[in-house]
Amino acid sequence: EVQLVQSGAEVKKPGESLKISCKGSGYSFTSYWIGWVRQMPGKGLEWMGIIYPGDSDTRYSPSFQGQVTISADKSISTAYLQWSSLKASDTAMYYCVRPLYSGSYYYFDYWGQGTLVTVSS
Amino acid sequence: AIQLTQSPSSLSASVGDRVTITCRASQGISSALAWYQQKPGKAPKLLIYDASSLESGVPSRFSGSGSGTDFTLTISSLQPEDFATYYCQQFNSYLLFTFGPGTKVDIK
Repeated sequence: EVQLVQSGAEVKKPGESLKISCKGSGYSFTSYWIGWVRQMPGKGLEWMGIIYPGDSDTRYSPSFQGQVTISADKSISTAYLQWSSLKASDTAMYYCVRPLYSGSYYYFDYWGQGTLVTVSS
Repeated sequence: AIQLTQSPSSLSASVGDRVTITCRASQGISSALAWYQQKPGKAPKLLIYDASSLESGVPSRFSGSGSGTDFTLTISSLQPEDFATYYCQQFNSYLLFTFGPGTKVDIK
């Protein structure tokens, strides 16, 4: 069974750094892209970026380029999303997702349970 | 960048109603469109991919249609468990994704 299990909720102060994780299981972690989606409180879904753990090829949404870093450790089947200096506006639920190629296009067939990040002084 | 708009932004409907949600792309995207359902406090769930293909395990009352710039998600007979927010999503060849703003379906 494919599973994406994310790390737990975080409460941080503005200016602090943070790295959240997403562990994939039940499939070949290095053979699928894995990505991140943000959902701010009461708002819609925003795609942030994806990484291919097999070769670390990474793509970012223009809205998030330079704001976050996506990485992966294929030895432990885990992807990461990190911030070097958090802002209050980073407060959101973050989902990891697995894009699946349908034969024509990519869609997110599996989602993690979400990690709530709260940034407050 | 391709933008997606959805209409309506919200709707009220009754159990048994036929519901149609529209998603429009700012430029042609062929059939590179998916639909997701999100219930409060839960992760989204894939319903439709390639504009009209039903994801495994999704009830047949859900259907998708369209290509190019105009797409629709139809629920043929709304069930109590269908009250949720629905998002469309597009993909381009650079592996960049965009979501629509969402349509909230609630009980009339």
